[in-house]
Amino acid sequence: AQSVAQPEDQVNVAEGNPLTVKCTYSVSGNPYLFWYVQYPNRGLQFLLKYITGDNLVKGSYGFEAEFNKSQTSFHLKKPSALVSDSALYFCAVREKTSYDKVIFGPGTSLSVIP
Amino acid sequence: EADIYQTPRYLVIGTGKKITLECSQTMGHDKMYWYQQDPGMELHLIHYSYGVNSTEKGDLSSESTVSRIRTEHFPLTLESARPSHTSQYLCASSEFRSTGANEKLFFGSGTQLSVL
Repeated sequence: AQSVAQPEDQVNVAEGNPLTVKCTYSVSGNPYLFWYVQYPNRGLQFLLKYITGDNLVKGSYGFEAEFNKSQTSFHLKKPSALVSDSALYFCAVREKTSYDKVIFGPGTSLSVIP
Repeated sequence: EADIYQTPRYLVIGTGKKITLECSQTMGHDKMYWYQQDPGMELHLIHYSYGVNSTEKGDLSSESTVSRIRTEHFPLTLESARPSHTSQYLCASSEFRSTGANEKLFFGSGTQLSVL
């Protein structure tokens, strides 16, 4: 069965420092991997995805994520955090052959401290 | 900016009432979804649809029902609301591609439901 884990409920980082939000997944086949962000009082927004190809994926707002097949991880990263990056981040996974289900992780709350 | 709309944004209602949460999208997407999300928790898929006249139950058992009479409209109905239904309900849509490529989800802003 598909599953997604985000081991940290909360990540705190100082403004200007690099940030990492961790995600590990479990699927029986090859995965499609996604990151979404939820700002307060707004709907989920798509950040980036990994389908195939280069393991380093670049997305919106300066975020990037690295796909590591051996570690079944897809950590979200940004070289320099902004206060406006403070939000709830969701990792999601879908098996390539499963057209109907995207499974979301529990979310990680990111706080960027001025 | 995603063209997917949910109304109402907030709803407070008494136990036993029938409610319908509206979701509409103007992108012509075939696939639509309803997620339930408790604060700070993961999203749980409760219903989805591949297109007109298609509805499927999701991973989380729900007493709600959905309909898909038109491509752009995917309302969710609770026949008799209970306090246990208090949650945030998120509607989403995506294009259907057989390869699955570029199938990103667009989400509405959600409906926060409180049943007293």
